[in-house]
Amino acid sequence: QKEVEQNSGPLSVPEGAIASLNCTYSDRGSQSFFWYRQYSGKSPELIMFIYSNGDKEDGRFTAQLNKASQYVSLLIRDSQPSDSATYLCAVKEFDNFNKFYFGSGTKLNVKP
Amino acid sequence: GAVVSQHPSWVICKSGTSVKIECRSLDFQATTMFWYRQFPKQSLMLMATSNEGSKATYEQGVEKDKFLINHASLTLSTLTVTSAHPEDSSFYICSASEGQGFNEKLFFGSGTQLSVL
Repeated sequence: QKEVEQNSGPLSVPEGAIASLNCTYSDRGSQSFFWYRQYSGKSPELIMFIYSNGDKEDGRFTAQLNKASQYVSLLIRDSQPSDSATYLCAVKEFDNFNKFYFGSGTKLNVKP
Repeated sequence: GAVVSQHPSWVICKSGTSVKIECRSLDFQATTMFWYRQFPKQSLMLMATSNEGSKATYEQGVEKDKFLINHASLTLSTLTVTSAHPEDSSFYICSASEGQGFNEKLFFGSGTQLSVL
């Protein structure tokens, strides 16, 4: 069973702080890694994806990947109340149909 | 990013009826589309993988005769919930993959909230 693990939270941070979201995965054959944001009642929205070890930055968001530790994280700098949502970690497998497996998500609350 | 359109956004139906949900990739061709369902405060559960021109591949525990998937073109996949029952009430979300290899990404439709009375 391929697993993607996330702390369900909620993770509460004050406005302007750095929010750190973490994800571990079980399958070493995983190819690409994604972070999605999902607001309540809405569908997921792609924020970042990464496939090489190290950091990848896009605006206030930084994705970090450590394949040796099977660990991927998302940092949100200068957190805003509008960042309050559930963040889903997803892993792409390199099998016949390149399936994407999702973690259960971490709920982030950014307090004004 | 790529745009995936899903209709309807919500549907209420009587028990025993069938409901069709459409998923379209608007600005790209999607060889592969995925169907998920999501219960409140739970994560996405992959139901099936749909490939254009071939039969869908269903995840373990998903009834293929109940959840009919058709991927007739590179831009359209449909999910039909047949003989719907209250336990089928859920948020159904389609997605389409765009790009290849390490650059392949998944984009989601807006979802369909199904309520079966």
